[in-house]
Amino acid sequence: ETGVTQTPRHLVMGMTNKKSLKCEQHLGHNAMYWYKQSAKKPLELMFVYSLEERVENNSVPSRFSPECPNSSHLFLHLHTLQPEDSALYLCASSPALAGVGDTQYFGPGTRLTVL
Amino acid sequence: SQELEQSPQSLIVQEGKNLTINCTSSKTLYGLYWYKQKYGEGLIFLMMLQKGGEEKSHEKITAKLDEKKQQSSLHITASQPSHAGIYLCGADYGSGAGSYQLTFGKGTKLSVIP
Repeated sequence: ETGVTQTPRHLVMGMTNKKSLKCEQHLGHNAMYWYKQSAKKPLELMFVYSLEERVENNSVPSRFSPECPNSSHLFLHLHTLQPEDSALYLCASSPALAGVGDTQYFGPGTRLTVL
Repeated sequence: SQELEQSPQSLIVQEGKNLTINCTSSKTLYGLYWYKQKYGEGLIFLMMLQKGGEEKSHEKITAKLDEKKQQSSLHITASQPSHAGIYLCGADYGSGAGSYQLTFGKGTKLSVIP
């Protein structure tokens, strides 16, 4: 039990579909993150939220749209994805945004396959 | 070239053997995180090192950060099948943005043969 949950765990979608990934943290943290993990590539940071405000968007295509309605929930809305977007999407949270020692705790991930 | 290199890429060891995984940075680290990942699952936090020469242990896993703060090693003593997984190092380069700007290595896949 990591305290960070993600749903769904697996998702298969067509390129014209619209779907959303959900992340919830039960740790009382103030910062949340979306990462993409593709085969044979390092983890890529996509978005960072601190106290529901987006503080980072690492040149992510607009077909990925994050939403953070409160400090416990984070969504990733998906629209007209491409097959190369197939990957493991990981959510993480940390107590605060700044400062060494604020370890990020990860959820189990959503395995996304785009057909 | 990548800022953070892990070696080896994969490792197969017999149960009971010791092993070491390395993480080398092209520039000075502000902090270094070690995580373990089961295939297709999330990352489990293991340890964080910050000071040059620092060493931390948890059960049979020991992590060290060299004095120059550019290399870290993860050592497992008397490996068990439960140690199998992918080990990832994450670097905080202290850009002023805090720990959220982590740069990860590609990971080392560890298999332990019973």
